[in-house]
Amino acid sequence: AQRVTQPEKLLSVFKGAPVELKCNYSYSGSPELFWYVQYSRQRLQLLLRHISRESIKGFTADLNKGETSFHLKKPFAQEEDSAMYYCALSGQEGAGSYQLTFGKGTKLSVIP
Amino acid sequence: NAGVTQTPKFQVLKTGQSMTLQCAQDMNHNSMYWYRQDPGMGLRLIYYSASEGTTDKGEVPNGYNVSRLNKREFSLRLESAAPSQTSVYFCASSEGLILLYEQYFGPGTRLTVT
Repeated sequence: AQRVTQPEKLLSVFKGAPVELKCNYSYSGSPELFWYVQYSRQRLQLLLRHISRESIKGFTADLNKGETSFHLKKPFAQEEDSAMYYCALSGQEGAGSYQLTFGKGTKLSVIP
Repeated sequence: NAGVTQTPKFQVLKTGQSMTLQCAQDMNHNSMYWYRQDPGMGLRLIYYSASEGTTDKGEVPNGYNVSRLNKREFSLRLESAAPSQTSVYFCASSEGLILLYEQYFGPGTRLTVT
């Protein structure tokens, strides 16, 4: 069964400090990995996805197939980064390509 | 554009009652989804509709039915509500395959079953 694990429920960092939100996964095929974010009083929205190889709001994530990880990183945290972050995966073909499996989420709190 | 809208925002049901959660999108998306989120948990897929006229089960479909009424609307029905269905329900839509197209989420419906 596919699974996404986010080991930290809460992560607190000081403004300007580096941020790393951890995500590990298990999947029998070739997964596609995503990070979603929910800011206070806003809807869940896509932050970035592995297939795009993009950097959004200074965040990057590298897929490590050997360690089955997709950690989210930012070199200098900003107060506006405080939010709930969810790692998710989908398959790349068939029914799996329409199904997202989410982790339980990590709440990031950036201390001024 | 309103994006993805859901009605109602809040609902309290008694065990055994039925209700339908409504979802509509105005982005001309092909695919629509229903998720539930329980406290301390990630979202779990209940049902999805890859395109108009099709529906498929997700991870947790038991106790639910869905209808893709047209391209815009995708409803979720609880025939006989149970306390275990107390949750926040999210509808989402996308142009197509998740790996290619972003999912857009609605604001959620908070359902309590007593």
